[in-house]
Amino acid sequence: SQTIHQWPATLVQPVGSPLSLECTVEGTSNPNLYWYRQAAGRGLQLLFYSVGIGQISSEVPQNLSASRPQDRQFILSSKKLLLSDSGFYLCAWSVGREQYFGPGTRLTVT
Amino acid sequence: AQSVAQPEDQVNVAEGNPLTVKCTYSVSGNPYLFWYVQYPNRGLQFLLKYITGDNLVKGSYGFEAEFNKSQTSFHLKKPSALVSDSALYFCAVRDMRTGNQFYFGTGTSLTVIP
Repeated sequence: SQTIHQWPATLVQPVGSPLSLECTVEGTSNPNLYWYRQAAGRGLQLLFYSVGIGQISSEVPQNLSASRPQDRQFILSSKKLLLSDSGFYLCAWSVGREQYFGPGTRLTVT
Repeated sequence: AQSVAQPEDQVNVAEGNPLTVKCTYSVSGNPYLFWYVQYPNRGLQFLLKYITGDNLVKGSYGFEAEFNKSQTSFHLKKPSALVSDSALYFCAVRDMRTGNQFYFGTGTSLTVIP
């Protein structure tokens, strides 16, 4: 069966520091991969999605970037974090019609 | 443009009563519709989907949803609410014509009162 992992589960970082969040999927090949941010426990904002290795679509211009170095690995990065980057970051995958989510990373920028 | 609306931020229902969480959508093509549930500090869990066929779809934990094309709605229902159903619920739509993106509503917080 398919599983999706995200790490770390929680992260506290100072303003201006770099960020790297990792997501990996097991048990499937060539998934579409997505990064979402959820602020204040409510609506989901799509940040990036990828349909294949090295193929990244950005939905919201900001100081975040994403990379997909391997088929089942999706990385969210920032060179310098802002206070507004705080939130709950969710990775998701889809093969076919529905989408499945990872457990999330709680990022607090101080 | 594709969009999903969940008109209620909060729904309260007594345990044992039926519950409904509302969702309306707007897509240019045929929609694929989904419901997800989120517990605090957790990822979203898939509940059910409508792709085609019977307008009433059944999902996990006794939930069901009714697709209504004329009203562009996909309301989530359960005949008898449990306290453990208290969570945040998201409706989502995927327009297969435009491809890979899923569009989510803003979420409805369901509280089941014992």
